[in-house]
Amino acid sequence: EAQVTQNPRYLITVTGKKLTVTCSQNMNHEYMSWYRQDPGLGLRQIYYSMNVEVTDKGDVPEGYKVSRKEKRNFPLILESPSPNQTSLYFCASSFFRYTDTQYFGPGTRLTVL
Amino acid sequence: KQEVTQIPAALSVPEGENLVLNCSFTDSAIYNLQWFRQDPGKGLTSLLLIQSSQREQTSGRLNASLDKSSGRSTLYIAASQPGDSATYLCAVRRGGSGNTGKLIFGQGTTLQVKP
Repeated sequence: EAQVTQNPRYLITVTGKKLTVTCSQNMNHEYMSWYRQDPGLGLRQIYYSMNVEVTDKGDVPEGYKVSRKEKRNFPLILESPSPNQTSLYFCASSFFRYTDTQYFGPGTRLTVL
Repeated sequence: KQEVTQIPAALSVPEGENLVLNCSFTDSAIYNLQWFRQDPGKGLTSLLLIQSSQREQTSGRLNASLDKSSGRSTLYIAASQPGDSATYLCAVRRGGSGNTGKLIFGQGTTLQVKP
């Protein structure tokens, strides 16, 4: 089944404790990205990657890192999480043709205390 | 700067009604527009994708239209059912040299279909 998977689905952590949210897709997509969703602010892009070893900042990259060492994986790293990073996070992927549908993962709900 | 607006923010209808959700965007330079469904606390499910060269797309009881020149899209849901209750999001993909693949989302319309 074609899908985007994220782990963990739920995470409660404390300020400053490094964490990684994994994202994996099995559709051989070149393009992957991360969004966060907050009440009243909607979905905003954090980082994106057009292919292996090619990443760039989205609209709200502060406090986040990413890497793209393999085509199928695009982990989101929070090296020193803060409470303002409490949010619902989504990973998305597609072929990088302008015609293509973007597929979203199930989301990771992160709470930083 | 591209902005996407969805009206209304919330909608409640009795089962069986046909309904229209609206989406407007400020910059007509888009590659495509995508409608998503989101159930509470869940991920986004893609419903329909309309390319900038297309006028409409249909899937089952759903029909989405696009008028790029006026910056508008509508999602028509026929014969609504309680299972259609969810938040519906529209998102545009910016075109031209600004195409980074980013989707710009509206705030969504939360639909409740009452039995």
